[in-house]
Amino acid sequence: DVKVTQSSRYLVKRTGEKVFLECVQDMDHENMFWYRQDPGLGLRLIYFSYDVKMKEKGDIPEGYSVSREKKERFSLILESASTNQTSMYLCASSSPGTGYGYTFGSGTRLTVV
Amino acid sequence: GQQLNQSPQSMFIQEGEDVSMNCTSSSIFNTWLWYKQDPGEGPVLLIALYKAGELTSNGRLTAQFGITRKDSFLNISASIPSDVGIYFCAGPGQGAQKLVFGQGTRLTINP
Repeated sequence: DVKVTQSSRYLVKRTGEKVFLECVQDMDHENMFWYRQDPGLGLRLIYFSYDVKMKEKGDIPEGYSVSREKKERFSLILESASTNQTSMYLCASSSPGTGYGYTFGSGTRLTVV
Repeated sequence: GQQLNQSPQSMFIQEGEDVSMNCTSSSIFNTWLWYKQDPGEGPVLLIALYKAGELTSNGRLTAQFGITRKDSFLNISASIPSDVGIYFCAGPGQGAQKLVFGQGTRLTINP
């Protein structure tokens, strides 16, 4: 069964901490995405990557960075966590051959206190 | 930027009822997608639409690509408890392979 795996389901971090959210896919997909999900706002794109070592900003990149050193892994980094970054974070992957058929991970619910 | 507006934001229905929800865009789309998110999981693709006027079914779900290319509709017939979740519409963002999502419609079913 093909999968996108996010390393943590729940995280609690303190304000100012550096936070790493990890995502791994086993489908050899070229494209990987990080979205943030908040009630009433839907899914908003933070960063995405079309290839190894390549990254592009999405709609809300401020306060975040990403790393893609290997094709299967896409990391989201909160350089200095703030309470307004408390949210559900969803990783997704896709391939040009799958059209817009994203495969999502189960999400990481991050709480910053 | 592109925006998708879903309506309604939430629905509370009785089991067995039919459900209708819609999504409108500020710009023309050439693809519409509908995803469902079960509680505690990531969204899963339900239906993809590629042509204006297209009507596509997936079991009890039927989705339509609006003729104006600025809207899409999702209907669920004879709802059952496992239909509970959040339904998202989505369309291509600016740039290849990106998606922009609507705010979601949260469906709650009373048995």
